[in-house]
Amino acid sequence: ELKVEQNPLFLSMQEGKNYTIYCNYSTTSDRLYWYRQDPGKSLESLFVLLSNGAVKQEGRLMASLDTKARLSTLHITAAVHDLSATYFCAATNFGNEKLTFGTGTRLTIIP
Amino acid sequence: DGGITQSPKYLFRKEGQNVTLSCEQNLNHDAMYWYRQDPGQGLRLIYYSQIVNDFQKGDIAEGYSVSREKKESFPLTVTSAQKNPTAFYLCASTTAGGYTYNSPLHFGNGTRLTVT
Repeated sequence: ELKVEQNPLFLSMQEGKNYTIYCNYSTTSDRLYWYRQDPGKSLESLFVLLSNGAVKQEGRLMASLDTKARLSTLHITAAVHDLSATYFCAATNFGNEKLTFGTGTRLTIIP
Repeated sequence: DGGITQSPKYLFRKEGQNVTLSCEQNLNHDAMYWYRQDPGQGLRLIYYSQIVNDFQKGDIAEGYSVSREKKESFPLTVTSAQKNPTAFYLCASTTAGGYTYNSPLHFGNGTRLTVT
C-alpha cells in the first residue's frame, strides 16, 4: 500500500528566507503532484512531476523528484506572505487511479 | 468558464439523517472523485468513477454511496451508517484514464458538512 509522508507538518518562517518541504513515499510511484490549499478553500494544482530528476519552477516555488530515493521536495525561495498556505504532495502508482495524499505542511510566513 | 461546482457550501444535518452532496463538472472529464478532509489528516479517497454507470470504492467508502448516471454529475450520499460524518468534502475530476500524462486533479470548492 502506498503511503505518503510530508515533513515538517508545520512551518513558520520569516519573509525573505529559504526553506524546503519534504515528501517521502513508500512504494514505486510514477507520478508526484504538489497542491496548495488556502484556509477553507479548495486545492490548487502547483506541479506535476513525471520522471526521475524532474524539476519544475513557478515563481518562488521549485519542485523536484528523485524516484530512486522516493523523495520529492518543494523549495521556497525568498518567502513572501502570499505563500502562506497548506501544501500537499500526492502520489500514485502506474495503472492505479487512486491518488494518495500526504498530511500536508502548513506554511506560515511571518513579516 | 469550465469548472467543478459543489453545493451547498455549508450543510447542517441531524444525526441519523442521510444527506446528499452535489458535484457537477463542465470540463468534459471522464473521471470523478470524492475526497474527505479532516484536520491534520490530509485527503482520503471515498469513491471514484472513471466512466458513467461505474464507480469503485476508495479507502474509506463505508457509510457512503454514490451514483454516476451522467458524465457531468457525481453526487455523494452520506448515510446514517457513517459514524463520523462531520468533515470537509471535496469533489475532483480529471481527464480520461484518470491521472494520465500531466493531468492533475481539478477540485471543486468543497462542502463543509456538520452533523449534530
